[in-house]
Amino acid sequence: AQTVTQSQPEMSVQEAETVTLSCTYDTSENNYYLFWYKQPPSRQMILVIRQEAYKQQNATENRFSVNFQKAAKSFSLKISDSQLGDTAMYFCAFQGSARQLTFGSGTQLTVLP
Amino acid sequence: DTAVSQTPKYLVTQMGNDKSIKCEQNLGHDTMYWYKQDSKKFLKIMFSYNNKELIINETVPNRFSPKSPDKAHLNLHINSLELGDSAVYFCASSQGDRTNSPLHFGNGTRLTVT
Repeated sequence: AQTVTQSQPEMSVQEAETVTLSCTYDTSENNYYLFWYKQPPSRQMILVIRQEAYKQQNATENRFSVNFQKAAKSFSLKISDSQLGDTAMYFCAFQGSARQLTFGSGTQLTVLP
Repeated sequence: DTAVSQTPKYLVTQMGNDKSIKCEQNLGHDTMYWYKQDSKKFLKIMFSYNNKELIINETVPNRFSPKSPDKAHLNLHINSLELGDSAVYFCASSQGDRTNSPLHFGNGTRLTVT
């Protein structure tokens, strides 16, 4: 079974600065997908970014980028130029052959003015 | 708007009651899911349906019964509600035959059992 670990329950960052959220996972599969979802206080689950394991290039979406290290089974999220609206719970998630997502325990990010 | 919609948004009920949460998606997806988010915000898969057929049934009490009348709907019925059932329940959908199809989530139903 796959497991996803987020070792930082809470983090904070000053507005306009950069923050990195950590995620590690364990799997025996070779083809899989990794995601970061954001859950603001409104409790919506919003897809932030996704990475296909067979692609070596790190995914980027505007201010959000990942550092994907397949051998180390690490998938961190970097948020540049942090904004107040980035305050949310961030979940790392794994999708393998079983299709459903396995989530990490989440990191509560607070952006400070 | 194309989306996953679930109703109700909030549900407060007493122990022992039976309740249902409805979910509909108009994204044309063939796979739907129910996730439970507990008080510590941990998200765990409960059920998954593909084209109205159950494909995943995690360790969930028999009091929880999903029903899929068609591939656009996946409702969750809960019998004999218990205090421990209090949580946020999320419905989601994806296109099952595409391995990189991300899940699209509904806005969640906060269930409070008193």
